[in-house]
Amino acid sequence: NAGVMQNPRHLVRRRGQEARLRCSPMKGHSHVYWYRQLPEEGLKFMVYLQKENIIDESGMPKERFSAEFPKEGPSILRIQQVVRGDSAAYFCASSPTGVNTGELFFGEGSRLTVL
Amino acid sequence: GENVEQHPSTLSVQEGDSAVIKCTYSDSASNYFPWYKQELGKGPQLIIDIRSNVGEKKDQRIAVTLNKTAKHFSLHITETQPEDSAVYFCAACLSSGTASKLTFGTGTRLQVTL
Repeated sequence: NAGVMQNPRHLVRRRGQEARLRCSPMKGHSHVYWYRQLPEEGLKFMVYLQKENIIDESGMPKERFSAEFPKEGPSILRIQQVVRGDSAAYFCASSPTGVNTGELFFGEGSRLTVL
Repeated sequence: GENVEQHPSTLSVQEGDSAVIKCTYSDSASNYFPWYKQELGKGPQLIIDIRSNVGEKKDQRIAVTLNKTAKHFSLHITETQPEDSAVYFCAACLSSGTASKLTFGTGTRLQVTL
């Protein structure tokens, strides 16, 4: 059973470009969480999705950031018009039933560098 | 929302000694408290967790304690080994209806020296 798969592992973008980060949850998991980790800092919650629904996006910046988890295919975190402050590691995690009743499994992360 | 504080931010112990990391949380409704280990360049991995109906849980060299009244929980690692060197994160889970999410502490960098 493959773990949570994230790609790309490393992404370099210039200011103003778009970044798309993909996450395939573990097989059978329908709950996906995205977290951002700045260098030497903890993990900050961004968004929680179930298939085709955004459950909680309270940690997501109101502008330039969006997330989706379509019926088919991976979850996508999209950052438009990137700025240097967006440079961070973005981690996706999945759970079979939601973290309050099931373990949260993390991917290896996507490291975004904005030049 | 929930706020989790974690101390210390760095911890250096000699191989074989014990290590203790402490966390406090703010929302008394939080009911699930996992601990994650993150190695360099990797994603966090769950090492142990505890739910609010339990005061202590042990798994080999790792134990976690929870004090709901004081709203704090701790990770204890005994007989530390070099491979225990990593960043450790505590977290608290707060559920609201069908939604639940983990709020993480800021991490403790543990260095086990020979």
